[in-house]
Amino acid sequence: GAVVSQHPSRVICKSGTSVKIECRSLDFQATTMFWYRQFPKQSLMLMATSNEGSKATYEQGVEKDKFLINHASLTLSTLTVTSAHPEDSSFYICSAVGGNSPLHFGNGTRLTVT
Amino acid sequence: SQKIEQNSEALNIQEGKTATLTCNYTNYSPAYLQWYRQDPGRGPVFLLLIRENEKEKRKERLKVTFDTTLKQSLFHITASQPADSATYLCALVYQAGTALIFGKGTTLSVSS
Repeated sequence: GAVVSQHPSRVICKSGTSVKIECRSLDFQATTMFWYRQFPKQSLMLMATSNEGSKATYEQGVEKDKFLINHASLTLSTLTVTSAHPEDSSFYICSAVGGNSPLHFGNGTRLTVT
Repeated sequence: SQKIEQNSEALNIQEGKTATLTCNYTNYSPAYLQWYRQDPGRGPVFLLLIRENEKEKRKERLKVTFDTTLKQSLFHITASQPADSATYLCALVYQAGTALIFGKGTTLSVSS
């Protein structure tokens, strides 16, 4: 079964609103979680790395004030897309790793901003 | 900067044949390399991990090789089935605990 749960799987929101996406590790403690973004027929692009209890590290070109990441516990990280615009429409995927486990991915969130 | 190339966007083969997918990288070798399967609208699913000091790994009908001289990994699916149709992603890790760097993927279609 799934070891990383991501919610919601799909969300449609209006331009200017904020959307929160949750990523939970189900049966292990995730010391590090990663957030990726994927456009159609493109590879997964890393947005940010978050370690429990500390501030996320953002990749170059990713606005930290627009994509707020919180990793408050060893089993939960959230990504909030603030003041969403149509160009933010994409497939957002989280992944988690803990100990010696390989990286496990959530099933992704399809965000559509109208 | 590091580049990862997967040999083709699409690969079509007949059921029962062996599918071979290629992943090439530039610059320095990663600590390890992983292969994932991704179905449409879903997150990637981990298949195999191979470390830089390993030549080959197998799991059921899957085999991965890692050649640090050629800077290449090959991913084989033997006795392919239509259910193997999906996009296969190659990903590199340079240091444990750091993020994966993904290739664009190869979409495999197995016809019966």
